[in-house]
Amino acid sequence: QVQLMQSGAEVKKPGSSVQVSCKASGGTFSGFPINWVRQAPGQGLEWMGGIIPRFGTTNYAQKFQGRLAITADESTSTSYMDLRSLRSDDTAVYYCARERGYSGYDSPLGYWGQGSLVTVSS
Amino acid sequence: DIQMTQSPSSLSASVGDRVIITCRASQGINNYLAWFQQKPGKAPKSLIYAASSLESGVPSRFSGSGSGTEFTLTISSLESEDFATYYCQQSYTYPWTFGQGTKVEIK
Repeated sequence: QVQLMQSGAEVKKPGSSVQVSCKASGGTFSGFPINWVRQAPGQGLEWMGGIIPRFGTTNYAQKFQGRLAITADESTSTSYMDLRSLRSDDTAVYYCARERGYSGYDSPLGYWGQGSLVTVSS
Repeated sequence: DIQMTQSPSSLSASVGDRVIITCRASQGINNYLAWFQQKPGKAPKSLIYAASSLESGVPSRFSGSGSGTEFTLTISSLESEDFATYYCQQSYTYPWTFGQGTKVEIK
């Protein structure tokens, strides 16, 4: 069974950066895309971007262009989400989610990490 | 960006009720539609992918249908553990987008 284990909660100052990690276990890491989704307090889900670890190819939501970097380390089966120039409205729970393979169609966000709370406050 | 609109935004229902949630895409997305369940303080859980395929381990009372721009999630007989918020999401094109959520509450 695939499990995604994320790093712990962070408190950051405005203007700083944060890195959240997502370590996969129990399955093949390289071939399945990993995406990052965030949820501000009391709000809905927002897709941020994703990576295919085998190729290193990334896609980002336009609103995060220039501030967001998603990487993957195949040797440790870990994906990283780096967000720069943090603002108070970046306060949210950040989730990683991995594709789940089936015969036929795959489930793009079939497995989820437990979430990592990032609080941006002066 | 493709806008995903869910209706209703919230509903009250009783155990045993049949519940239907609708999701509309602002343009055609074929069947690249997933449904998620989220309980307070927990990560979302995938229920349905490819519009109508049930995730492994998800109870059969959950079902999805639709293609193009109109989709539905049906819970055939609501159980107590189903009270939660439900989201639809398209993966047809980037940026992937979610509906605003439908909160299912106890009547």
